[in-house]
Amino acid sequence: EVQLQESGPGLVKPSQSLSLTCSVTGYSITSSYRWNWIRKFPGNKLEWMGYINSAGSTNYNPSLKSRISITRDTSKNQFFLQVNSVTTEDTATYYCARATIAAISTRVMDAWGQGASVTVSS
Amino acid sequence: DVQMTQSPSNLAASPGESVSINCKASKSISKYLAWYQQKPGKANKLLIYSGSTLQSGTPSRFSGSGSGTDFTLTIRNLEPEDFGLYYCQQHNEYPPTFGSGTKLEIK
Repeated sequence: EVQLQESGPGLVKPSQSLSLTCSVTGYSITSSYRWNWIRKFPGNKLEWMGYINSAGSTNYNPSLKSRISITRDTSKNQFFLQVNSVTTEDTATYYCARATIAAISTRVMDAWGQGASVTVSS
Repeated sequence: DVQMTQSPSNLAASPGESVSINCKASKSISKYLAWYQQKPGKANKLLIYSGSTLQSGTPSRFSGSGSGTDFTLTIRNLEPEDFGLYYCQQHNEYPPTFGSGTKLEIK
């Protein structure tokens, strides 16, 4: 059974970069699927941020494209999120999730981490 | 981006009752809508995708219907473990977008 776990600092200062790690067990991120970051703002709104696929290619939400980067370390079966120039509006719970690629269920998140809360504050 | 409007925001019901949650897309998404359950301290759970296909492990008391722009999640014979936050998500195109959530509480 695949499991995902987010980790990273819970507090980031404005204008700095936010960095999070998603550690995956039970499945190799180089085998298949797309590996996503999604965030939930206070008030419960969810926003898809982007993914890295099994070949290492990325796709980002255009609303964030200039500020985010998703990378990976295949030797550790981890993938990472970096958000640059953060503001208080980036305060959210950040989730990593696996998305299917089958035609009938593409872009469906079939496995999620429990989430990592990040507060942007000075 | 496709805007997803989910209703109601809050719902209270008793175990054994049936409830419905609605999701409306700002344009046609064919059948490509997923439903998720979120509970505190637990990973989000995929319940249904492609409008009506139950994910493996989803109890049969859950059902999904709809196509085009209007979709419904129905939960029959509510169990205590069904209470939580539910989201819809369109998976027809990038970027995937989510509804605003429905909090299902015990009456």
